[in-house]
Amino acid sequence: GAVVSQHPSRVICKSGTSVKIECRSLDFQATTMFWYRQFPKKSLMLMATSNEGSKATYEQGVEKDKFLINHASLTLSTLTVTSAHPEDSSFYICSASNASHAYNEQFFGPGTRLTVL
Amino acid sequence: AQSVTQPDIHITVSEGASLELRCNYSYGATPYLFWYVQSPGQGLQLLLKYFSGDTLVQGIKGFEAEFKRSQSSFNLRKPSVHWSDAAEYFCAVGARGGATNKLIFGTGTLLAVQP
Repeated sequence: GAVVSQHPSRVICKSGTSVKIECRSLDFQATTMFWYRQFPKKSLMLMATSNEGSKATYEQGVEKDKFLINHASLTLSTLTVTSAHPEDSSFYICSASNASHAYNEQFFGPGTRLTVL
Repeated sequence: AQSVTQPDIHITVSEGASLELRCNYSYGATPYLFWYVQSPGQGLQLLLKYFSGDTLVQGIKGFEAEFKRSQSSFNLRKPSVHWSDAAEYFCAVGARGGATNKLIFGTGTLLAVQP
């Protein structure tokens, strides 16, 4: 149980376009979802936390107008990278949790590799 | 503020040798502690976790970790490394209580395994 999927696994887009990444909890209801960004050979950096039906809470330094997060249902959160630039190229990972899980444990998706040309 | 330190950026061990990956944390109370493994281009796989109770935690793939409060450490160990263990390993700390359960990750340790 506690499976999280992401789609797409890889995406290549042109500079200036917008890209949407989906994160789904497949077998549980995710009251909270998290979005992370990972640069090559670096650790995971938390970008934002979203609770279902509420606006996302962004970490310091993350542009909320650049990285739009929607958590409209208990099984789906989306991250939209708007007006993408090459420096947005990265590996984006989501995680999901539910308060009913012991200690609010997070379950991670497989990640999405974004390349902006 | 919470923080996690993994002092070793890169470790190379021979196949069959023992392994210990270090993790130190800074937190005002006893945190939740996790070890994850990541293969190239892949997501995170949970190896083990500590919430409370027995300070020696057993995980998957033959890994274990020991929580030492006095040293603020949660080192990962494996008695005999296999070539398939080559990957990046991340230690993470989570806050107890509160409305959110953010994780803070260490910078990772890249493990190479020599034949």
